[in-house]
Amino acid sequence: DVKVTQSSRYLVKRTGEKVFLECVQDMDHENMFWYRQDPGLGLRLIYFSYDVKMKEKGDIPEGYSVSREKKERFSLILESASTNQTSMYLCASTSPGQGYEKLFFGSGTQLSVL
Amino acid sequence: DAKTTQPNSMESNEEEPVHLPCNHSTISGTDYIHWYRQLPSQGPEYVIHGLTSNVNNRMASLAIAEDRKSSTLILHRATLRDAAVYYCILRDSKSSGDKLTFGTGTRLAVRP
Repeated sequence: DVKVTQSSRYLVKRTGEKVFLECVQDMDHENMFWYRQDPGLGLRLIYFSYDVKMKEKGDIPEGYSVSREKKERFSLILESASTNQTSMYLCASTSPGQGYEKLFFGSGTQLSVL
Repeated sequence: DAKTTQPNSMESNEEEPVHLPCNHSTISGTDYIHWYRQLPSQGPEYVIHGLTSNVNNRMASLAIAEDRKSSTLILHRATLRDAAVYYCILRDSKSSGDKLTFGTGTRLAVRP
């Protein structure tokens, strides 16, 4: 069974802390994505990566950075967490280029910043 | 990126068919139409995809308009477990770095 694994299901952090959200996929996918999901706003793309060490800004990159040192791992970093970053964070991966490949999601990390 | 438009919410009765519409008037010839759904407290999961022809699988059917500017996800007999948010997105078959932007989707409620 293919898998996208997010390191934590629930996370509570304090304002100003540096936060790492980890995502690992076992499908040898080139493309990986980080989304956040808030009530009424759907899924919003934060960053994506289509190769190791490559990253592209999504629609809402402010306040976030990412790291892709290995193909299977894509990390989302909140340099200094703020309360408005309290959200559900979803990681996804897929193969590139042909258009018909499925997107696979992790179960999500519910982050609360106090 | 071509965008999609879906109704915010829909309701259905259990065991009745459900037709979930999606408009994508700026679709390009190389875009595949994908549908995903998100059950409560889970990440989205793949439902179905298509390019030009209608498609069927064990979960649903996808009807694509002849001009490809709209599509409809069909659940033939809704069950309570089909209550979810359904997302329609476009994937460009010519792009290795496609952005994959989701909208707010359609929240489907199923009445017993």
